[in-house]
Amino acid sequence: AQSVTQLGSHVSVSEGALVLLRCNYSSSVPPYLFWYVQYPNQGLQLLLKYTTGATLVKGINGFEAEFKKSETSFHLTKPSAHMSDAAEYFCAVALSTGNQFYFGTGTSLTVIP
Amino acid sequence: NAGVMQNPRHLVRRRGQEARLRCSPVKGHSHVYWYRQLPEEGLKFMVYLQKENIIDESGMPKERFSAEFPKEGPSILRIQQVVRGDSAAYFCASSPRDFYSEQYFGPGTRLTVT
Repeated sequence: AQSVTQLGSHVSVSEGALVLLRCNYSSSVPPYLFWYVQYPNQGLQLLLKYTTGATLVKGINGFEAEFKKSETSFHLTKPSAHMSDAAEYFCAVALSTGNQFYFGTGTSLTVIP
Repeated sequence: NAGVMQNPRHLVRRRGQEARLRCSPVKGHSHVYWYRQLPEEGLKFMVYLQKENIIDESGMPKERFSAEFPKEGPSILRIQQVVRGDSAAYFCASSPRDFYSEQYFGPGTRLTVT
């Protein structure tokens, strides 16, 4: 069975500090991995995705994530948090053999001034 | 370019009524996906449609729920005889090509069943 686990439903960081949002997945076939951000009362916006190739993926707004197959992880990072980064972040996995996206339960990021 | 449009943004229905949620994909996109988000939970896949075809409805409840994406017009998610447990945010996404191209999400419809 496929699943996505996001450790920490709430993360708080100080403005300017490192942001680290964790995502682990389980998949029986090579996965495609995504991070989405959701601002209040809005739909999800794609931050970045990994399909094939380079395992370090850069996205919008200074975010990046690294696919680590041995750890089945796809953690999201940003070197320096900004107030505008406060939002809900979702990790998702899609399988090369299916039609579904599987979403994690989300991590709410709070940025403290 | 207009993004994915969903209407209504908020919908209140009494138990037993029908709810119709509409989704207009990005112009030129022929793939539509519906997701449900319950409080404190992530998005759950419901159905994947292409024009006039249901590709994957494995996430749809077997009863009361149906979806369509006609040749002309928006995609419709229909919930018959709503119950309180149907209260959730329903998101539509569209993509231009296959499943692995980026999915563009709409703002969602928040359904409240009283």
